[in-house]
Amino acid sequence: NAGVTQTPKFQVLKTGQSMTLQCAQDMNHEYMSWYRQDPGMGLRLIHYSVGAGITDQGEVPNGYNVSRSTTEDFPLRLLSAAPSQTSVYFCASSYMVGSYEQYFGPGTRLTVT
Amino acid sequence: GENVEQHPSTLSVQEGDSAVIKCTYSDSASNYFPWYKQELGKGPQLIIDIRSNVGEKKDQRIAVTLNKTAKHFSLHITETQPEDSAVYFCAASKGTYKYIFGTGTRLKVLA
Repeated sequence: NAGVTQTPKFQVLKTGQSMTLQCAQDMNHEYMSWYRQDPGMGLRLIHYSVGAGITDQGEVPNGYNVSRSTTEDFPLRLLSAAPSQTSVYFCASSYMVGSYEQYFGPGTRLTVT
Repeated sequence: GENVEQHPSTLSVQEGDSAVIKCTYSDSASNYFPWYKQELGKGPQLIIDIRSNVGEKKDQRIAVTLNKTAKHFSLHITETQPEDSAVYFCAASKGTYKYIFGTGTRLKVLA
């Protein structure tokens, strides 16, 4: 049981480039989400999904896109990278939406120059 | 808007002493309060959680208390050890997709 996996671990992009951060879980969890972590700001929700084919916006969705074609995978796309998107990104999953433990991946450290 | 305030932002304790981290939430509909530990270079990991129908929960050296009237909850770590050094986050949820996280406390346990 690998839990939640994320790739890549580190990435450097130039302004305007696009890329996809990968996230997968093998726990058959319905709920998956993406957070960004910035110094002094805790974790902020970007997008979330309550099941395959269903996605919705969190509190900071601008500049990001998601899709959920399978239960296991939940990729995050940066459409046109900006320096303000320099951050550490975490994918998380839980059994269902609501008051359940979230399992976090190891994170992707992204730098946009 | 909804928010969770967490204090202190940094905390240094001697090994064997106790550590207390406090959080205050704004949304009275919140009913689930998890605490996460994040070690360097890793993702947050749940260490304990409490629901609104319980006032206190304990798991070995870790305990969480909840005061619904005052809308605050606290993490207590007793007999601290060097491996307790990490960043700790509190969060609040009202049973929907949304978890509001505190800004984190960096705990250093000095040997």
